[in-house]
Amino acid sequence: LAKTTQPISMDSYEGQEVNITCSHNNIATNDYITWYQQFPSQGPRFIIQGYKTKVTNEVASLFIPADRKSSTLSLPRVSLSDTAVYYCLVGGVGTGGFKTIFGAGTRLFVKA
Amino acid sequence: NAGVTQTPKFRVLKTGQSMTLLCAQDMNHEYMYWYRQDPGMGLRLIHYSVGEGTTAKGEVPDGYNVSRLKKQNFLLGLESAAPSQTSVYFCASRGDRAQPQHFGDGTRLSIL
Repeated sequence: LAKTTQPISMDSYEGQEVNITCSHNNIATNDYITWYQQFPSQGPRFIIQGYKTKVTNEVASLFIPADRKSSTLSLPRVSLSDTAVYYCLVGGVGTGGFKTIFGAGTRLFVKA
Repeated sequence: NAGVTQTPKFRVLKTGQSMTLLCAQDMNHEYMYWYRQDPGMGLRLIHYSVGEGTTAKGEVPDGYNVSRLKKQNFLLGLESAAPSQTSVYFCASRGDRAQPQHFGDGTRLSIL
């Protein structure tokens, strides 16, 4: 299973764009990259998922370079309510047993 | 839609007691997972299931057992609870290997 490495924490201000990079050097050919958001006392919530290049939805963008050894979650114009822990996961498809490994995540603090 | 429902939400046990946590999903998902999350850490996979009647071990299976007798339910059992099992337990499900996981809101378990 591919191990992921993310910054432990990040600070930002309201209205700024936030980019969180995840390193996954051992990603397998069939692995997807998935990002989740978790607020205190809640379960993780799906944000975005991609395989290669760029994916965009209504809340975020995911940039994946050609070698797929890293990915960057981009949150445009963050607000105070975006303060949360963000997890990058790699795996799922093609992984024997369909396991997923959560790292420690990135704690994002958005200030007024 | 209910999504993933975990029962109970809170529980306090004494060392040596047993209990069962219930996870129910109404999305007809094949895959179901049990995680534990300790303070300040990411989620760790306990057991998972790739279909009705099947279960498999995750990262931290010791001290836990699971059953998937019905497709919509995934039960996590603690036969003899220990203080080290004090944690927040999350259940998740997903439809196929390319889809993200949907999480419940967690069960907060304290073992004295």
